[in-house]
Amino acid sequence: AQSVTQLDSQVPVFEEAPVELRCNYSSSVSVYLFWYVQYPNQGLQLLLKYLSGSTLVKGINGFEAEFNKSQTSFHLRKPSVHISDTAEYFCAVSRTGFQKLVFGTGTRLLVSP
Amino acid sequence: KAGVTQTPRYLIKTRGQQVTLSCSPISGHRSVSWYQQTPGQGLQFLFEYFSETQRNKGNFPGRFSGRQFSNSRSEMNVSTLELGDSALYLCASSWGPGDRDTGELFFGEGSRLTVL
Repeated sequence: AQSVTQLDSQVPVFEEAPVELRCNYSSSVSVYLFWYVQYPNQGLQLLLKYLSGSTLVKGINGFEAEFNKSQTSFHLRKPSVHISDTAEYFCAVSRTGFQKLVFGTGTRLLVSP
Repeated sequence: KAGVTQTPRYLIKTRGQQVTLSCSPISGHRSVSWYQQTPGQGLQFLFEYFSETQRNKGNFPGRFSGRQFSNSRSEMNVSTLELGDSALYLCASSWGPGDRDTGELFFGEGSRLTVL
């Protein structure tokens, strides 16, 4: 079975500062890795995904993540955040070939001026 | 193209009632999954349907059921509602198994159920 751990439940940061949201996963089989964002009263929107290939993945809104197989991590980064990045961020994993996602508990990113 | 559409967006029910939620996937997508989101339990997988067949089921009681129609639209039903069923129910669609599979799910905005 797969599992995902998001180490920080909340990350406060000032506007234009860099941010890293941490995600570790556990799986005995090959997986796909995802980061989704959820704005208030909305569904989930895909930020980026790792399927295979280059371990550095670039997504929308200036976000990127690096897949580290040895550390079983998939941390999300942004070099300079905006107020509009305030939202909840979910890391997720799925077995290759399966549509079931296992989500982490989420990290609330709070960007203040 | 149109995204995943869920109806209704908001609904209020009382304990003991039943509810049916509907999901229309992105055109061409044949797999539909359902998730329950609550503050305490987070995002939990309910079930997944592909070509009208349930492929996966999460750890929920039998009061939770679903189905998928030949046009890939899906419904989920919760019978004998309990207070703890109050949640945001999210539907997601994808291509399903095959050459187009990227594992990515496309989510609707959800149906927020309040049980009083």
